[in-house]
Amino acid sequence: DTEVTQTPKHLVMGMTNKKSLKCEQHMGHRAMYWYKQKAKKPPELMFVYSYEKLSINESVPSRFSPECPNSSLLNLHLHALQPEDSALYLCASRRTGESEQFFGPGTRLTVL
Amino acid sequence: GIQVEQSPPDLILQEGANSTLRCNFSDSVNNLQWFHQNPWGQLINLFYIPSGTKQNGRLSATTVATERYSLLYISSSQTTDSGVYFCAVAYQGAQKLVFGQGTRLTINP
Repeated sequence: DTEVTQTPKHLVMGMTNKKSLKCEQHMGHRAMYWYKQKAKKPPELMFVYSYEKLSINESVPSRFSPECPNSSLLNLHLHALQPEDSALYLCASRRTGESEQFFGPGTRLTVL
Repeated sequence: GIQVEQSPPDLILQEGANSTLRCNFSDSVNNLQWFHQNPWGQLINLFYIPSGTKQNGRLSATTVATERYSLLYISSSQTTDSGVYFCAVAYQGAQKLVFGQGTRLTINP
């Protein structure tokens, strides 16, 4: 298995909803990432997990809450989002000791 | 922080043409990746190329790390090559990947 999967593909939520994004990989990669990408912009790093521990938080608002329950799974819990949080959310993973990252297909989020 | 600049920002070509995309970076990096983002948003790995030259079919890439630039060559373009091409560099112990602004390539039939 050489891919990163993400669910759901699309998500529409209200500002009072709580939802979660899921990312999974079975490549044995121990570094996992969340990125946010707005239209016509490059991806921007949000969080990095290394060996299931949060190692980098790029000053992301607390309404985004990441979780890494095991070495294959990465979640992003969403609560009280704003319309400006609408974006493509990309997950990536990397084998430790190497720097090449592999990306999932993304979740396109719309906040109403 | 490190700066990554891509040029040109937009490129419109006819099918069959060749193109060269450039990526300049401002500091020493652990690595450099080229991606193609398709219309559905998927980032597809094209090359992992810290230095030297690699080829994959109609695509090739060259990175000259000492001069802090990389080039992506696309030959005999096809309409399916359309999309945004990103260059990204890894630094800070390879944990972080910083993207350029991308080159939007449109191949017309």
